[in-house]
Amino acid sequence: KNQVEQSPQSLIILEGKNCTLQCNYTVSPFSNLRWYKQDTGRGPVSLTIMTFSENTKSNGRYTATLDADTKQSSLHITASQLSDSASYICVVSDQTGANNLFFGTGTRLTVIP
Amino acid sequence: DADVTQTPRNRITKTGKRIMLECSQTKGHDRMYWYRQDPGLGLRLIYYSFDVKDINKGEISDGYSVSRQAQAKFSLSLESAIPNQTALYFCATSDYGTSGSYEQYFGPGTRLTVT
Repeated sequence: KNQVEQSPQSLIILEGKNCTLQCNYTVSPFSNLRWYKQDTGRGPVSLTIMTFSENTKSNGRYTATLDADTKQSSLHITASQLSDSASYICVVSDQTGANNLFFGTGTRLTVIP
Repeated sequence: DADVTQTPRNRITKTGKRIMLECSQTKGHDRMYWYRQDPGLGLRLIYYSFDVKDINKGEISDGYSVSRQAQAKFSLSLESAIPNQTALYFCATSDYGTSGSYEQYFGPGTRLTVT
């Protein structure tokens, strides 16, 4: 069964600290993995997309890694800011097209001053 | 997400009522989608459309119907709303991006409550 699991479910960190969110998946055949940021009351916004051949991709203070062999990904946030408070969703696509996206339940990050 | 708009943003309706959620996009994308999001669950696909004449059921289409009135408009209808359809609904569009895959762009969401 194609699944995407994220950990932790929630995380609270101090402003300025770094953190790492985890994503494990069983989706096969694999096409790409995406990380989205979803602010409360808003739609998800794409942070990074990685294909099979990419093992790291950055977007400002966000760095995603992908290990396609172990089917694991992480999202590292550097020097966190209050505006980073949001849910971060890992999404894996299989090779059958954009309609087959498998969504994780997200990690709720709260950055406190 | 200003390129993808949804109306209404919030709606409270009663069991048995028919309700339509509307989505419009100015991105010029052919592909459009409707998802619902429930607490503790990932987004789930309701319907998707690859062009005006192509509409497909997603994972949880029962109790829903859609209409693709134009490339820019994709509406979701609940023919007879029931309480377990209370959720956050998202419209999305996609195109083939520079990443070598289809990138999705989400609207701001519609919060629907069925009493």
